[in-house]
Amino acid sequence: AQKVTQAQTEISVVEKEDVTLDCVYETRDTTYYLFWYKQPPSGELVFLIRRNSFDEQNEISGRYSWNFQKSTSSFNFTITASQVVDSAVYFCALSDLAGGTSYGKLTFGQGTILTVHP
Amino acid sequence: DSGVTQTPKHLITATGQRVTLRCSPRSGDLSVYWYQQSLDQGLQFLIQYYNGEERAKGNILERFSAQQFPDLHSELNLSSLELGDSALYFCASSVASGRAGETQYFGPGTRLLVL
Repeated sequence: AQKVTQAQTEISVVEKEDVTLDCVYETRDTTYYLFWYKQPPSGELVFLIRRNSFDEQNEISGRYSWNFQKSTSSFNFTITASQVVDSAVYFCALSDLAGGTSYGKLTFGQGTILTVHP
Repeated sequence: DSGVTQTPKHLITATGQRVTLRCSPRSGDLSVYWYQQSLDQGLQFLIQYYNGEERAKGNILERFSAQQFPDLHSELNLSSLELGDSALYFCASSVASGRAGETQYFGPGTRLLVL
């Protein structure tokens, strides 16, 4: 069965600090996809990144970077030089084939509440 | 703005009542998904439709039902409401058949409060 674990329930940092959000996943499939979403205080879910299981290259987008390691089943998210506007709940999610029955179902982690203080 | 719209934004109702949540997918998207976000259960997948047909079902209660119409908008019907149904209900859409890996874009959600 699919499972996503975000062990950090809450993280608090001061502006300009770097912060890493951890995500560990479980799946029996060799083909799967990982996502990160951001949920700011306004409540909507904002897509950040999608990564497939065959692409282990790290990705950088501005102050955001992602480290995908299949060997440890982890897909961690780092924010460099954090800003107050980064304060939000961040969710890691998994989509796999699950024998062809799951279609596009996303399995979410419990989320990490990030608070960036000025 | 993801391009997915949901109405209403807020809904307050009483136990035992029935409500309908509406979702319009992004222009061109064929698949619609419904998720429930609650404090105790987190974000849970409910159901998925592709071009009017049900594709996958998650932890959706029998009191809940959904459909996708020919114009691709979708409705989630919640009946015999209980206090525990209070939650944020999200709709998401993706471009194609909704197979694993398609990026889902989420609407702003409907916040349901059952009193």
